[in-house]
Amino acid sequence: GESVGLHLPTLSVQEGDNSIINCAYSNSASDYFIWYKQESGKGPQFIIDIRSNMDKRQGQRVTVLLNKTVKHLSLQIAATQPGDSAVYFCAEMNAGNMLTFGGGTRLMVKP
Amino acid sequence: EPEVTQTPSHQVTQMGQEVILRCVPISNHLYFYWYRQILGQKVEFLVSFYNNEISEKSEIFDDQFSVERPDGSNFTLKIRSTKLEDSAMYFCASEAENTEAFFGQGTRLTVV
Repeated sequence: GESVGLHLPTLSVQEGDNSIINCAYSNSASDYFIWYKQESGKGPQFIIDIRSNMDKRQGQRVTVLLNKTVKHLSLQIAATQPGDSAVYFCAEMNAGNMLTFGGGTRLMVKP
Repeated sequence: EPEVTQTPSHQVTQMGQEVILRCVPISNHLYFYWYRQILGQKVEFLVSFYNNEISEKSEIFDDQFSVERPDGSNFTLKIRSTKLEDSAMYFCASEAENTEAFFGQGTRLTVV
């Protein structure tokens, strides 16, 4: 079936290092993807998005890469900080603006 | 900064009781959503609402669920007869034209 999923449930990085969070999707017709950050006790917070006509999009300290050939999405966080500790979800937008979320990756930043 | 607000933050209810979860979306937003997240699981879509009617709903959103925008500012989710498996975090989200969805802090529903 169609699904959006994450490779790793937990990622632990040293403060200052770069983080890479991965996501695989199976619906080749998907054309819009979003990364959300969820801190404990809070709702998902938009980080960055990308459309399928792009391979890469950069924000402040974050970069999203899209590889349509292998249906893979990644989120790169530069110079990871303690405040980046959270669960990160990729999501795929479907008809009706409905978001299908992946399972989430917990990012832990070690001081 | 405008935000989506949800009340209550935590609701405990007995199985079989009705609950109403409340949301105040961001002013001038046009699209409204409810999602839920069972503990330790992914966020799941329930329903989307636009122009005073449901535009999409998932299989989870059965006859026990209903949504309403009673007064132009609030957006509510009602569960008529709660079951144990309805225990979850419920997130409201709203969206303007061509913007991302903004999520509220969530309501933790515990059915006992």
